[in-house]
Amino acid sequence: DAKTTQPNSMESNEEEPVHLPCNHSTISGTDYIHWYRQLPSQGPEYVIHGLTSNVNNRMASLAIAEDRKSSTLILHRATLRDAAVYYCILRGQGGSQGNLIFGKGTKLSVKP
Amino acid sequence: NAGVTQTPKFRILKIGQSMTLQCAQDMNHNYMYWYRQDPGMGLKLIYYSVGAGITDKGEVPNGYNVSRSTTEDFPLRLELAAPSQTSVYFCASSYSYSGLNTEAFFGQGTRLTVV
Repeated sequence: DAKTTQPNSMESNEEEPVHLPCNHSTISGTDYIHWYRQLPSQGPEYVIHGLTSNVNNRMASLAIAEDRKSSTLILHRATLRDAAVYYCILRGQGGSQGNLIFGKGTKLSVKP
Repeated sequence: NAGVTQTPKFRILKIGQSMTLQCAQDMNHNYMYWYRQDPGMGLKLIYYSVGAGITDKGEVPNGYNVSRSTTEDFPLRLELAAPSQTSVYFCASSYSYSGLNTEAFFGQGTRLTVV
């Protein structure tokens, strides 16, 4: 299965933009790039996903490199509620059969 | 909509006891999943199901059993609880035949301690 690499932790100031990177150099052509986040003591929640083009929704933006070997989750204005662990996950038809396989993610801290 | 509902929220088991973690979803999703999360770690897939009557093993299935008799319910059974099964368990569901292009919805988790 294609793997992802994320920094263990990042810090941001409140109301500033946050760019969370993810490397996935072994991505296959049919793998979707999914992002989930997990707030303290809660289950993961969906943030955004994409295949080739950049994507925007009410929560965030997803910027995908042209070669698809990396992507960046963008939170436009971080709030204290955005402090969470963010997971970048490749979802494809390989050995994982489309299941979400979680790594350790990036722990985002937001300072007031 | 209730989404994905897990019961109980907390449970303490003695070594060797058995229990069933319940999971129900009201979104008519065909895919359902069970994960466990140990402290400071990401989630590990235990079992999954692509529809009623169909289940398959994930990354860490040993010590667990599942069944899927209805679309709505996906219970996880621990037969002989061991301390290594102390963890937080999450159930999730998603809809789509391929499963790739849709989001998954997670329950709030069951915190299980085996002593």
